[in-house]
Amino acid sequence: EAQVTQNPRYLITVTGKKLTVTCSQNMNHEYMSWYRQDPGLGLRQIYYSMNVEVTDKGDVPEGYKVSRKEKRNFPLILESPSPNQTSLYFCASSYRTGRGLSHEQYFGPGTRLTVT
Amino acid sequence: KNEVEQSPQNLTAQEGEFITINCSYSVGISALHWLQQHPGGGIVSLFMLSSGKKKHGRLIATINIQEKHSSLHITASHPRDSAVYICAGENYGGATNKLIFGTGTLLAVQP
Repeated sequence: EAQVTQNPRYLITVTGKKLTVTCSQNMNHEYMSWYRQDPGLGLRQIYYSMNVEVTDKGDVPEGYKVSRKEKRNFPLILESPSPNQTSLYFCASSYRTGRGLSHEQYFGPGTRLTVT
Repeated sequence: KNEVEQSPQNLTAQEGEFITINCSYSVGISALHWLQQHPGGGIVSLFMLSSGKKKHGRLIATINIQEKHSSLHITASHPRDSAVYICAGENYGGATNKLIFGTGTLLAVQP
């Protein structure tokens, strides 16, 4: 079954304690991305990756790191989480058409993070 | 400044009604995605459009590139269509892809 998996699904942590949210896809997609969703602000892109070892900042990258060492995995790292990073996080993947546009986005189930 | 604007923000309909959700976007958007998010949070991609019209079951999406406008239509609406519908503009900048999201339309279909 084609899917994007995220772990953990729920996480409560304390300020400053490093954490990693994993994301994995089994569709051999080149394009992967991380989003956060906040009430009233909608979805915002944190980082994206066009392929292995190719990553770039989205609209709200501050406080986050990513890596893309393998095509299937795109972990999101919070080196020193703060309460303003409390949010619902989604990972997504897609492939690109011949014109370079991303095709249908496949979203993971979401990770609800609370930083106290 | 949000480059993707959706309307309405909230929409209540009676079962069976024809529903339209609108999305306007700015210069630089190469394609438009429509997404559905049910209560509980999961997001599903409905359509990706760069021109014309697409149909899937009771859902129809259209895009007018000259007017920078896209619409999502739901025919014969049903309570199970109740969800948040999100449009997202894709800014294809050659070597990069970025998605810019609207804030969503909360649809409630009453039986």
